Amino acid sequence: AQSVTQLDSQVPVFEEAPVELRCNYSSSVSVYLFWYVQYPNQGLQLLLKYLSGSTLVKGINGFEAEFNKSQTSFHLRKPSVHISDTAEYFCAVSDTNTNAGKSTFGDGTTLTVKP
Amino acid sequence: DTAVSQTPKYLVTQMGNDKSIKCEQNLGHDTMYWYKQDSKKFLKIMFSYNNKELIINETVPNRFSPKSPDKAHLNLHINSLELGDSAVYFCASSQVTGNYGYTFGSGTRLTVV
Repeated sequence: AQSVTQLDSQVPVFEEAPVELRCNYSSSVSVYLFWYVQYPNQGLQLLLKYLSGSTLVKGINGFEAEFNKSQTSFHLRKPSVHISDTAEYFCAVSDTNTNAGKSTFGDGTTLTVKP
Repeated sequence: DTAVSQTPKYLVTQMGNDKSIKCEQNLGHDTMYWYKQDSKKFLKIMFSYNNKELIINETVPNRFSPKSPDKAHLNLHINSLELGDSAVYFCASSQVTGNYGYTFGSGTRLTVV
């Protein structure tokens, strides 16, 4: 079984500042890792994913994340945020050894970008 | 043209009623899911179907019954609704079993009064 811990429930930041949203995971097998964004009253949208290969993954809207196997982390970063980045962000993990396709989600981080 | 569409978007109903939520995807994906998001925004998987076959059935009350008439549709029927069933229900699909990332619908907000 896998688990995901998002270390910050809320992250306030000023516009144009850099931001990092932290995610740690626990698993006894190899994993796929994901970040999703949820804007108010909308469904979740896939931001980026790590399946294999390069540990630095680039996604949409200028976000990137780095997979660190030794620290079992997958932190999300953006060098300069905009007001429009205000949303809920979810980290998720999926077991590569199963074909069931189940993802386990973290509890979410609320990113609030202030002018 | 919406990739994963759910209907209805909002559903307000009384305790004890039976209701259904429909989901359709036009992405050609093989696997579909139902997730429940509670008031604290926690997401938990309920069911997963791969090409009409049930492959995940988490600990969900028997009052919840998914049905997949074909691989593009996954419906959720709920009997004898309870106050605790109030939540946002999301349908999602993925390209292959094993999950390389989900495409989510916009959600159905169910309120039981």
